[in-house]
Amino acid sequence: GIQVEQSPPDLILQEGANSTLRCNFSDSVNNLQWFHQNPWGQLINLFYIPSGTKQNGRLSATTVATERYSLLYISSSQTTDSGVYFCAVEASTAGNKLTFGGGTRVLVKP
Amino acid sequence: DAGVTQSPTHLIKTRGQQVTLRCSPKSGHDTVSWYQQALGQGPQFIFQYYEEEERQRGNFPDRFSGHQFPNYSSELNVNALLLGDSALYLCASSRGANTGELFFGEGSRLTVL
Repeated sequence: GIQVEQSPPDLILQEGANSTLRCNFSDSVNNLQWFHQNPWGQLINLFYIPSGTKQNGRLSATTVATERYSLLYISSSQTTDSGVYFCAVEASTAGNKLTFGGGTRVLVKP
Repeated sequence: DAGVTQSPTHLIKTRGQQVTLRCSPKSGHDTVSWYQQALGQGPQFIFQYYEEEERQRGNFPDRFSGHQFPNYSSELNVNALLLGDSALYLCASSRGANTGELFFGEGSRLTVL
Protein backbone atom coordinates (compact mmCIF):
# COMPACT_ATOMS: atom_id res chain seq x y z
CA GLY A 1 0.00 0.00 0.00
CA ILE A 2 0.90 3.66 -0.15
CA GLN A 3 3.50 4.94 2.32
CA VAL A 4 3.22 8.34 4.03
CA GLU A 5 6.14 9.90 5.87
CA GLN A 6 6.00 13.10 7.88
CA SER A 7 8.90 15.19 9.07
CA PRO A 8 10.05 16.26 11.49
CA PRO A 9 8.48 13.90 14.05
CA ASP A 10 8.78 16.55 16.77
CA LEU A 11 9.05 20.32 16.63
CA ILE A 12 9.52 22.82 19.44
CA LEU A 13 8.86 26.46 18.59
CA GLN A 14 9.00 29.74 20.37
CA GLU A 15 5.76 31.69 20.12
CA GLY A 16 5.87 33.89 17.03
CA ALA A 17 8.17 31.63 15.05
CA ASN A 18 7.40 30.21 11.61
CA SER A 19 7.68 26.53 10.69
CA THR A 20 7.27 24.09 7.82
CA LEU A 21 5.97 20.54 8.14
CA ARG A 22 6.55 18.07 5.32
CA CYS A 23 4.59 15.06 4.05
CA ASN A 24 6.05 12.67 1.48
CA PHE A 25 3.99 9.94 -0.14
CA SER A 26 4.98 6.99 -2.29
CA ASP A 27 2.29 6.89 -4.99
CA SER A 28 -0.19 9.05 -6.88
CA VAL A 29 -3.10 10.34 -4.82
CA ASN A 30 -6.67 11.51 -5.36
CA ASN A 31 -6.89 13.31 -2.08
CA LEU A 32 -4.63 14.79 0.57
CA GLN A 33 -5.80 16.29 3.83
CA TRP A 34 -4.00 17.99 6.71
CA PHE A 35 -5.44 17.65 10.21
CA HIS A 36 -4.66 19.07 13.63
CA GLN A 37 -5.46 16.67 16.45
CA ASN A 38 -6.51 18.49 19.58
CA PRO A 39 -5.74 17.25 23.11
CA TRP A 40 -9.14 15.54 23.29
CA GLY A 41 -8.37 13.50 20.18
CA GLN A 42 -10.56 15.15 17.61
CA LEU A 43 -9.10 15.57 14.14
CA ILE A 44 -9.72 19.12 12.98
CA ASN A 45 -9.73 19.61 9.20
CA LEU A 46 -7.11 22.13 8.13
CA PHE A 47 -6.86 21.65 4.39
CA TYR A 48 -8.27 19.44 1.67
CA ILE A 49 -5.50 19.88 -0.88
CA PRO A 50 -4.86 17.17 -3.49
CA SER A 51 -2.86 19.76 -5.45
CA GLY A 52 -2.00 23.44 -5.48
CA THR A 53 -1.79 25.99 -2.68
CA LYS A 54 -4.33 27.12 -0.11
CA GLN A 55 -4.22 29.59 2.76
CA ASN A 56 -6.34 29.95 5.85
CA GLY A 57 -5.23 32.68 8.21
CA ARG A 58 -1.76 31.91 9.56
CA LEU A 59 -1.75 28.47 7.97
CA SER A 60 -1.08 27.61 4.37
CA ALA A 61 -0.42 24.40 2.48
CA THR A 62 1.08 23.39 -0.83
CA THR A 63 0.83 20.01 -2.54
CA VAL A 64 3.03 19.11 -5.50
CA ALA A 65 1.35 15.90 -6.57
CA THR A 66 3.78 15.18 -9.41
CA GLU A 67 6.67 15.18 -6.94
CA ARG A 68 4.65 13.40 -4.23
CA TYR A 69 4.94 15.81 -1.34
CA SER A 70 2.96 18.38 0.58
CA LEU A 71 4.03 21.17 2.92
CA LEU A 72 2.14 22.81 5.78
CA TYR A 73 3.31 26.27 6.81
CA ILE A 74 2.58 27.75 10.21
CA SER A 75 3.38 31.45 10.53
CA SER A 76 3.55 33.51 13.72
CA SER A 77 2.91 30.41 15.80
CA GLN A 78 0.75 30.60 18.93
CA THR A 79 0.54 28.29 21.92
CA THR A 80 -2.85 27.11 20.65
CA ASP A 81 -1.06 25.68 17.60
CA SER A 82 0.42 22.97 19.83
CA GLY A 83 -0.70 19.44 19.10
CA VAL A 84 -0.17 16.75 16.51
CA TYR A 85 -0.43 17.50 12.81
CA PHE A 86 -1.33 14.65 10.49
CA CYS A 87 -1.09 14.36 6.77
CA ALA A 88 -3.42 11.77 5.24
CA VAL A 89 -3.65 10.66 1.63
CA GLU A 90 -6.06 8.68 -0.47
CA ALA A 91 -4.21 6.60 -3.03
CA SER A 92 -5.60 6.73 -6.55
CA THR A 93 -6.72 3.12 -6.26
CA ALA A 94 -7.95 3.36 -2.66
CA GLY A 95 -11.47 4.71 -3.02
CA ASN A 96 -11.93 7.25 -0.25
CA LYS A 97 -9.74 5.43 2.28
CA LEU A 98 -7.17 7.63 4.00
CA THR A 99 -3.68 6.48 4.90
CA PHE A 100 -2.15 8.60 7.64
CA GLY A 101 1.42 9.56 8.27
CA GLY A 102 2.95 9.22 11.69
CA GLY A 103 2.30 12.85 12.55
CA THR A 104 4.40 15.82 13.64
CA ARG A 105 4.11 16.71 17.31
CA VAL A 106 4.35 20.49 17.71
CA LEU A 107 4.94 22.32 20.97
CA VAL A 108 4.78 26.09 20.94
CA LYS A 109 6.32 27.69 24.02
CA PRO A 110 5.23 31.11 25.28
CA ASP B 1 -25.09 21.98 10.67
CA ALA B 2 -24.29 19.07 12.95
CA GLY B 3 -20.89 17.53 12.49
CA VAL B 4 -19.98 13.90 12.98
CA THR B 5 -21.14 12.67 16.38
CA GLN B 6 -19.93 9.57 18.21
CA SER B 7 -20.99 7.77 21.36
CA PRO B 8 -19.96 6.89 23.94
CA THR B 9 -16.97 9.19 24.41
CA HIS B 10 -15.23 6.92 26.90
CA LEU B 11 -15.76 3.36 28.00
CA ILE B 12 -13.97 0.65 29.92
CA LYS B 13 -14.35 -3.07 29.20
CA THR B 14 -12.62 -6.24 30.28
CA ARG B 15 -10.93 -8.83 28.10
CA GLY B 16 -13.37 -11.11 26.29
CA GLN B 17 -16.26 -8.67 26.38
CA GLN B 18 -17.97 -7.12 23.40
CA VAL B 19 -18.39 -3.43 22.61
CA THR B 20 -20.58 -1.38 20.27
CA LEU B 21 -19.66 2.14 19.21
CA ARG B 22 -22.03 4.47 17.36
CA CYS B 23 -21.60 7.21 14.79
CA SER B 24 -23.90 9.70 13.11
CA PRO B 25 -22.46 11.28 9.97
CA LYS B 26 -22.32 14.94 9.09
CA SER B 27 -25.52 16.26 7.53
CA GLY B 28 -25.60 15.49 3.82
CA HIS B 29 -23.04 12.67 4.06
CA ASP B 30 -23.85 9.08 3.20
CA THR B 31 -20.54 7.27 3.71
CA VAL B 32 -19.05 6.30 7.06
CA SER B 33 -15.55 5.02 7.73
CA TRP B 34 -14.03 3.79 10.97
CA TYR B 35 -10.43 4.22 12.12
CA GLN B 36 -8.47 2.94 15.09
CA GLN B 37 -5.80 5.12 16.64
CA ALA B 38 -3.40 3.57 19.12
CA LEU B 39 -1.53 5.84 21.49
CA GLY B 40 1.22 7.79 19.74
CA GLN B 41 0.32 6.60 16.26
CA GLY B 42 -1.69 7.78 13.28
CA PRO B 43 -5.20 6.44 12.70
CA GLN B 44 -5.53 3.10 10.88
CA PHE B 45 -8.42 2.36 8.52
CA ILE B 46 -10.80 -0.38 9.72
CA PHE B 47 -13.63 -0.34 7.17
CA GLN B 48 -16.00 1.82 5.18
CA TYR B 49 -19.79 1.61 4.79
CA TYR B 50 -21.79 2.97 1.88
CA GLU B 51 -25.38 2.10 0.94
CA GLU B 52 -25.54 -0.12 4.03
CA GLU B 53 -22.75 -2.37 2.77
CA GLU B 54 -19.11 -2.78 3.74
CA ARG B 55 -17.22 -1.43 0.73
CA GLN B 56 -13.61 -1.58 1.88
CA ARG B 57 -11.79 -3.20 4.75
CA GLY B 58 -8.39 -2.65 6.27
CA ASN B 59 -6.15 -5.21 7.91
CA PHE B 60 -8.35 -5.99 10.91
CA PRO B 61 -9.63 -9.40 12.08
CA ASP B 62 -13.23 -10.56 11.80
CA ARG B 63 -13.77 -9.66 15.45
CA PHE B 64 -14.29 -6.17 14.07
CA SER B 65 -17.64 -5.82 12.35
CA GLY B 66 -20.00 -3.03 11.50
CA HIS B 67 -23.32 -1.96 10.23
CA GLN B 68 -24.84 1.02 8.47
CA PHE B 69 -28.48 1.96 8.89
CA PRO B 70 -30.86 3.50 6.33
CA ASN B 71 -30.34 6.92 7.93
CA TYR B 72 -26.58 6.54 7.21
CA SER B 73 -25.61 6.19 10.87
CA SER B 74 -23.23 3.36 11.69
CA GLU B 75 -22.10 1.02 14.43
CA LEU B 76 -18.73 -0.59 15.04
CA ASN B 77 -18.76 -3.86 16.99
CA VAL B 78 -15.72 -5.53 18.46
CA ASN B 79 -16.05 -9.04 19.91
CA ALA B 80 -13.75 -10.95 22.26
CA LEU B 81 -11.88 -7.83 23.30
CA LEU B 82 -8.12 -7.98 23.73
CA LEU B 83 -5.88 -5.64 25.68
CA GLY B 84 -4.47 -4.46 22.34
CA ASP B 85 -7.89 -3.19 21.28
CA SER B 86 -7.47 -0.29 23.70
CA ALA B 87 -7.44 2.77 21.43
CA LEU B 88 -9.29 5.82 20.22
CA TYR B 89 -11.91 4.81 17.64
CA LEU B 90 -12.67 7.53 15.14
CA CYS B 91 -15.59 7.76 12.78
CA ALA B 92 -15.34 9.76 9.57
CA SER B 93 -18.06 10.71 7.13
CA SER B 94 -18.00 11.83 3.52
CA ARG B 95 -20.29 12.33 0.56
CA GLY B 96 -20.00 9.34 -1.76
CA ALA B 97 -17.70 6.35 -1.56
CA ASN B 98 -15.22 7.23 -4.27
CA THR B 99 -13.29 10.29 -3.17
CA GLY B 100 -13.72 13.54 -1.31
CA GLU B 101 -13.03 15.30 1.94
CA LEU B 102 -13.48 13.31 5.15
CA PHE B 103 -14.71 14.81 8.42
CA PHE B 104 -14.03 13.13 11.75
CA GLY B 105 -15.92 12.89 15.01
CA GLU B 106 -14.40 13.35 18.45
CA GLY B 107 -13.85 9.64 18.88
CA SER B 108 -14.66 6.96 21.40
CA ARG B 109 -11.82 6.09 23.75
CA LEU B 110 -11.90 2.40 24.64
CA THR B 111 -9.88 0.95 27.48
CA VAL B 112 -9.69 -2.83 27.81
CA LEU B 113 -8.57 -4.14 31.21
